[in-house]
Amino acid sequence: AQSVSQHNHHVILSEAASLELGCNYSYGGTVNLFWYVQYPGQHLQLLLKYFSGDPLVKGIKGFEAEFIKSKFSFNLRKPSVQWSDTAEYFCAVNGGGFKTIFGAGTRLFVKA
Amino acid sequence: DAGVTQSPTHLIKTRGQQVTLRCSPKSGHDTVSWYQQALGQGPQFIFQYYEEEERQRGNFPDRFSGHQFPNYSSELNVNALLLGDSALYLCASSRGDRENTEAFFGQGTRLTVV
Repeated sequence: AQSVSQHNHHVILSEAASLELGCNYSYGGTVNLFWYVQYPGQHLQLLLKYFSGDPLVKGIKGFEAEFIKSKFSFNLRKPSVQWSDTAEYFCAVNGGGFKTIFGAGTRLFVKA
Repeated sequence: DAGVTQSPTHLIKTRGQQVTLRCSPKSGHDTVSWYQQALGQGPQFIFQYYEEEERQRGNFPDRFSGHQFPNYSSELNVNALLLGDSALYLCASSRGDRENTEAFFGQGTRLTVV
């Protein structure tokens, strides 16, 4: 069965620090990969997605993610976080079919 | 261009009762997926509706059922509510005719079972 593992449940950073959130999935076939963000009081929004091609994907608000097929990973990065990046981040995988599997989420708090 | 809208936003029900949640998809979308998000967890896929039929289902009991209408809106029904059904229920819409497509989520319905 497909599964998604997010390594950190809570992350606290100071503004301007670099961010990397880990995501690993278990599925042997072709996958579509997503990072969603949920800001306080708002709905889930797509941050970035990988379907095929360049494994380094750039998303909104300066976020990027790298798909490493050999490691079954899709880690999210941002060189310098801002207070406004405080949110919950979800990694998600679709391995064919219509079902998308989400990780448990990582809560990021950025100190001003 | 309206996004995904869900109603109601909050709901309190008693154990054993039945509940119906509603979702209107984003304009131009014909596919609706439902997710359950328990506290501290990620969304879990319940099922997806396309062309008024359920086309994939997650690991949820038959107490969870749904419907899609000709205008693409959808309902999620849960019978014989259990305390463990308390969660945020999310609706996501997308275009079903595309293989690689992103989903847009609504704000969710917070269901509390007492």
